[in-house]
Amino acid sequence: KNEVEQSPQNLTAQEGEFITINCSYSVGISALHWLQQHPGGGIVSLFMLSSGKKKHGRLIATINIQEKHSSLHITASHPRDSAVYICAVTSWESGGGADGLTFGKGTHLIIQP
Amino acid sequence: DAGVTQSPTHLIKTRGQHVTLRCSPISGHKSVSWYQQVLGQGPQFIFQYYEKEERGRGNFPDRFSARQFPNYSSELNVNALLLGDSALYLCASSGTGTGHRTQYFGPGTRLLVL
Repeated sequence: KNEVEQSPQNLTAQEGEFITINCSYSVGISALHWLQQHPGGGIVSLFMLSSGKKKHGRLIATINIQEKHSSLHITASHPRDSAVYICAVTSWESGGGADGLTFGKGTHLIIQP
Repeated sequence: DAGVTQSPTHLIKTRGQHVTLRCSPISGHKSVSWYQQVLGQGPQFIFQYYEKEERGRGNFPDRFSARQFPNYSSELNVNALLLGDSALYLCASSGTGTGHRTQYFGPGTRLLVL
């Protein structure tokens, strides 16, 4: 079983829809990260969470430490939001040192006009 | 300020050869991590270096090695290349201080092993 699981793997939605991507993890973490990867490979960090909720523009990330679950929401989705969204954790259990990330497989999001 | 830079951007090698990939972190960042991303998969952690010391290592064979220089730039070396080493190799840097930190990724080096 992967330490970080994401769902769904693929998501196609219409412009304007509210999007939710889920992430569950099975290890103790010091932080959870949401990242965005566009075609061509570039990865951008969207959020780093250790508790509660963060908001940036139309993006909202929440985390429930007790349930080991996080969600990324996109409000009023737009075709430019089309990308792969990746959940990753910083865990002292994974041998990654202070910063080494353990990644989920990503959610491939397509927003159609 | 320049972001994380990696070189080369693309590389083609044949089986058995070795390769050196380079990464320059954001100015002031002392931590560099390396990741391998095989097509269609999420990245996998390879190494983390902080203040020129290895601070974390993923589940990769000894053919993979890395080092960090006094200016905090880093090299990833892979010996005896296999076809399965074909991947996007990503470098990320993070700032000083303790605890969890936001990572800033470079554009990656795309390695093809024939």
